[in-house]
Amino acid sequence: DTGVSQNPRHKITKRGQNVTFRCDPISEHNRLYWYRQTLGQGPEFLTYFQNEAQLEKSRLLSDRFSAERPKGSFSTLEIQRTEQGDSAMYLCASSLALDPWVEVLQETQYFGPGTRLLVL
Amino acid sequence: EDQVTQSPEALRLQEGESSSLNCSYTVSGLRGLFWYRQDPGKGPEFLFTLYSAGEEKEKERLKATLTKKESFLHITAPKPEDSATYLCAVTGANSKLTFGKGITLSVRP
Repeated sequence: DTGVSQNPRHKITKRGQNVTFRCDPISEHNRLYWYRQTLGQGPEFLTYFQNEAQLEKSRLLSDRFSAERPKGSFSTLEIQRTEQGDSAMYLCASSLALDPWVEVLQETQYFGPGTRLLVL
Repeated sequence: EDQVTQSPEALRLQEGESSSLNCSYTVSGLRGLFWYRQDPGKGPEFLFTLYSAGEEKEKERLKATLTKKESFLHITAPKPEDSATYLCAVTGANSKLTFGKGITLSVRP
């Protein structure tokens, strides 16, 4: 399967613990995105990478959240000191920007299966 | 700020009963409108991208259309396997992808 993959698929943790999620994008894609989705809502943008550079962050991404894409391939999203309000589905997506210098995100994004986080 | 409103919130159809899902949007400089399908517990699955008013795209029983203010996803003779949540999203000059809340479609056999 050459789609976007995410691990783990499910994570249950206790409030105050740190968690880390991994995303492997489609291999030739140069852009990678993180979204959060809660029940009954559409995905909400968190951040995105152009190769290894993190170019935009949403105000939803508090200082407890950090994302990296060290070699421009896979990415990790870490949540420190988890809170019950962090419980959600965390989605990763990737895309191929034919002109990476154009920052408008107009190309199609392909999503992974998501990581479901439950904070007790 | 970009906004996407989808209606109705939920739609129940009988198998074979055609209908349309609506996506109204407000965006500064539309760069693209996207339709996705999402099954419970899974990530969104890409369906269509539309870039300009008047554009139409079709795939099996689905057809997406775009005007300057809204998009429709027409479902012709739906089957139970078309049951899912359908998400609409736009990207504009402020760059990020903004989603609506989705429309939950249920098709009864």
